[in-house]
Amino acid sequence: QSVLTQPPSMSAAPGQRVRISCSGRSSNIGNYYVSWYQQIPGTPPKLLIFDNNKRPSGIPDRFSGSRSGTSAALVITGLQTGDEADYYCATWDSSLNLVVFGGGTKLTVL
Amino acid sequence: EVHLVDSGGGLVQPGGSLRLSCAATGFTFSSSAMSWVRQAPGKGLEWVSGISGSGGSTYYADSVKGRFTISRDNSQNTMYLQMNSLRGDDTAVYYCAREPGSSWWFDSWGQGTLVTVSS
Repeated sequence: QSVLTQPPSMSAAPGQRVRISCSGRSSNIGNYYVSWYQQIPGTPPKLLIFDNNKRPSGIPDRFSGSRSGTSAALVITGLQTGDEADYYCATWDSSLNLVVFGGGTKLTVL
Repeated sequence: EVHLVDSGGGLVQPGGSLRLSCAATGFTFSSSAMSWVRQAPGKGLEWVSGISGSGGSTYYADSVKGRFTISRDNSQNTMYLQMNSLRGDDTAVYYCAREPGSSWWFDSWGQGTLVTVSS
């Protein structure tokens, strides 16, 4: 069971908006920056968001991140079939003294 | 361009050892913390270990503490993961990843190397 809780799966139609949640506690999300990764099966993860809401160069502004209290969220707008992938949140946990990942959310674009 | 190449995976018997390597190019290696992250077949991502740019600080997940050792050779731009006393639940694809900032996010990843622990 992951320290950070994500919905196992979500689905939406092309063009729609989806919000993927990531729930933690004060020892992790509540006090540390959150990052988000996209992973297409068989390939390495790809950084989408760092420091809660910053995008690396090359990541379109359809992807946005936020954090409030002990929860974080990744929002994808204008869904495309190429967005079909697994999405993971991650942060540092000061109680466990390690990086923790969410269990991942499998996004299906119908 | 940042490029990470992980290698050293393979089939090993339970109780055996393996050393993974991560060769880095395209950035000042000694300026970046690095980590190993693994993914068991069909499962999610699990952070395994991290090391500071100088190598002076190391961190481990409880699941590998005492069995795995992370190290780096900044003169060779290479990071290592020595894995001893391997168990079946260590079977996974192991990725090396670069942490360029100070808040534990990973902007570049290796292609992954598969470690299979089985008799």
